[in-house]
Amino acid sequence: DAGVTQSPTHLIKTRGQQVTLRCSPKSGHDTVSWYQQALGQGPQFIFQYYEEEERQRGNFPDRFSGHQFPNYSSELNVNALLLGDSALYLCASSGSSAGYEQYFGPGTRLTVT
Amino acid sequence: ELKVEQNPLFLSMQEGKNYTIYCNYSTTSDRLYWYRQDPGKSLESLFVLLSNGAVKQEGRLMASLDTKARLSTLHITAAVHDLSATYFCAVDSPSGGGADGLTFGKGTHLIIQP
Repeated sequence: DAGVTQSPTHLIKTRGQQVTLRCSPKSGHDTVSWYQQALGQGPQFIFQYYEEEERQRGNFPDRFSGHQFPNYSSELNVNALLLGDSALYLCASSGSSAGYEQYFGPGTRLTVT
Repeated sequence: ELKVEQNPLFLSMQEGKNYTIYCNYSTTSDRLYWYRQDPGKSLESLFVLLSNGAVKQEGRLMASLDTKARLSTLHITAAVHDLSATYFCAVDSPSGGGADGLTFGKGTHLIIQP
């Protein structure tokens, strides 16, 4: 049983560019949450997708947007990148069948120069 | 706004010693999680605590939850070098029923020396 997968593993972008990160949830899970983890900090909740809609959102600007597909996979898009967007982006999947416990993927390391 | 505070933020200890990491949170929550993170890696789930008085143990780690005090502890018994990592506690929102985004503490960076 494959766990949560994310792509790419690493990414380097320039200020002002746009980036798309991808996540495939664990089998049987229908909910995907995205987190940003800056170096030396705890993860911060960006948003959560369920049934292809954004169900909950953390304190992040509109530059951060997402999408969930019918197969439950998800994308995180960040526009107009800032240096401060450099971080590890973690995807977590969950579902009622698993008691809503969140399982985290390996993450995408984004560096903005 | 839900806030989660961990202490200490940094802990250096010797092998064989016992220690406790504390996690306080500001409002009622449905559940509390403990995660481990190794450098450059993702989060590994250690414990999920669902009710007042819950206690779970795995190897040298034991976690407990006191919902009245809004406090969870992660106790390390007879520490070994392999337990060196950063440990996070996290809680979900009061109304989430477990289906919400998590609020994390800043983490406790644990170094265990021979």
